[in-house]
Amino acid sequence: AQKVTQAQTEISVVEKEDVTLDCVYETRDTTYYLFWYKQPPSGELVFLIRRNSFDEQNEISGRYSWNFQKSTSSFNFTITASQVVDSAVYFCALSEWNTDKLIFGTGTRLQVFP
Amino acid sequence: DAGVTQSPTHLIKTRGQQVTLRCSPISGHKSVSWYQQVLGQGPQFIFQYYEKEERGRGNFPDRFSARQFPNYSSELNVNALLLGDSALYLCASSLNRAGAYEQYFGPGTRLTVT
Repeated sequence: AQKVTQAQTEISVVEKEDVTLDCVYETRDTTYYLFWYKQPPSGELVFLIRRNSFDEQNEISGRYSWNFQKSTSSFNFTITASQVVDSAVYFCALSEWNTDKLIFGTGTRLQVFP
Repeated sequence: DAGVTQSPTHLIKTRGQQVTLRCSPISGHKSVSWYQQVLGQGPQFIFQYYEKEERGRGNFPDRFSARQFPNYSSELNVNALLLGDSALYLCASSLNRAGAYEQYFGPGTRLTVT
């Protein structure tokens, strides 16, 4: 069965701190896709990144970076120099290769204080 | 370009009633998926439609149904509403039906059942 675990329920940091959100997944597929979404208080899920199972290169986008390690089935997300606007719930998700069905984790609520 | 749109934004219904939620995908996107997000949890997959056909269904009772129209917009219907159906209902669209494509979410419809 497929499963996504986000063990951190809530994280609080002070502005400019770096923070890492953990994501561990389970799947028997050899081809799959991993996603991160941000959900601000408004409720809309904002797409951040998609990574396929054959691409283990780390990715950096501005203050955001992602570390994908198949050996540990993890896809962690780091925000460098956090800002108040980063406060939101962050979801990690997994999908099989032939479907749009996303399996979400329970989310991590990040609070960044000034 | 317009993103995914959903209507209505909010809805209050009574137990036993029926509700119809609407979704318009991003122009050019042929796949639409529906998710239910109960407060404090990650979204749960309900349906996927691609080219007007149901391509996937989550673990939801038959009270939940959906359809996709020739213009790729979609409706989600829920009959015989229960208190437990109170949730944020999210619609997502993507170019194609495989996990290789990013899914973009609408702002959601918040349904309250009293």
